[in-house]
This record gives sequence, C-alpha cells and structure tokens, in this order.
Amino acid sequence: DTEVTQTPKHLVMGMTNKKSLKCEQHMGHRAMYWYKQKAKKPPELMFVYSYEKLSINESVPSRFSPECPNSSLLNLHLHALQPEDSALYLCASSQPGIGAYEQYFGPGTRLTVT
Amino acid sequence: GQQVMQIPQYQHVQEGEDFTTYCNSSTTLSNIQWYKQRPGGHPVFLIQLVKSGEVKKQKRLTFQFGEAKKNSSLHITATQTTDVGTYFCAYRDNYGQNFVFGPGTRLSVLP
Repeated sequence: DTEVTQTPKHLVMGMTNKKSLKCEQHMGHRAMYWYKQKAKKPPELMFVYSYEKLSINESVPSRFSPECPNSSLLNLHLHALQPEDSALYLCASSQPGIGAYEQYFGPGTRLTVT
Repeated sequence: GQQVMQIPQYQHVQEGEDFTTYCNSSTTLSNIQWYKQRPGGHPVFLIQLVKSGEVKKQKRLTFQFGEAKKNSSLHITATQTTDVGTYFCAYRDNYGQNFVFGPGTRLSVLP
C-alpha cells in the first residue's frame, strides 16, 4: 500500500474557528511532513516529524500546531487562521535518514479561510 | 540552505514535440528527485538520481544527473496530453530531514 490519505479534502473556516487536518499512512514510514502549497508555487515545508518527534519547524506561526500521535498518523491543528493561510495543505511520508528516499504525498486538503 | 532553480518556468508544446526542463544548483547535491504534479493534483514521485552522470529512463522520460552533481534534466520525447502538469526537481538535504523543491516547470501540451 503506497497511499497517504488526508481528510478532509476541502475545508472552509472562519478566522475564529478551530479545526484539524488529518493524515494517515501505512507504509511503515517513520518520517512525516506537512507542506503548504499556494497556487503556482512549489510545496513549502512546514513541519517534519522523524520517529514521532518534531525535528523541523520552519518558522511556522503558532496558529498551526502539529501533532504526531503515532507512527501512522499526523495531525495539523488550526486556530485563528488568517485569509492568507488559504492554500493546499499536503501531507507526505518517507523513510527517515540521510538516504535519498522518495516522498509519498497525500491528495491534500484545500483550505479556505474566510 | 541550498536552492535549486528550474528553467523554463513555463513551456507550451504541440503534442508530439519533445520537452526538456533543467534543474540547476550552485552547490553540489547528494541526490536529486523529480516529481510531477497534475493540475488539481498532488506531487507524485517520478525518479531519484544519486550518482554523478547518472541517466535513467522511464518509457518516454529520460532523467540525467550532471557530472558535477549540480544540475539535472528531464526530457520527454513525443509529448502527449497526459504529460501536462508541473515538474518539480527536489533534493534531500545532507541532514536527511528536509526536502527542498525547485520552483517547477509548468508544461502544457496542445493537442
């Protein structure tokens, strides 16, 4: 199974709402990632979890809060977002470590902040 | 960190024509990966290259890693409408944690 699943597919939220994005993989990968992608731009790394521990936080505002409950699951908790946070949020997984392992991406959650 | 550039930014071709996109780095890369993202879709891994001068083929796609490991190319022979999308090169940094994506080349194929 080489699939990464993400829910929901679409999300519209107001600036005062709290919501969560979910990601799941069953490939045994021990590195999981959150990316933000704006239209016509490359994916922009937000967070990296390696062996369920946060290893990279690319200066992301605190209104984004990641969580890795176990090796298969990754959540992104959203609170008090701004309209400029509207984007496609992609989850990915790979093997951790220095080797050139590829990433497998989920279909993404298209987020609109009103 | 290291940045990679891609050229061209956009390419419009007639179906059946060839297409090439280039990925360039100012520093030596330990690896290069290529991803394709269809319109409305998500990035899908195509290939990875790790050796100097490496060439890999997948049907009509040919991938190359430069001798100095500072550049890479993706060549598509006889494009089809199914080739439409954005092609990203990416590399994994030396710490193994971070993937860095190039800005991408958007390919459109006119039938």
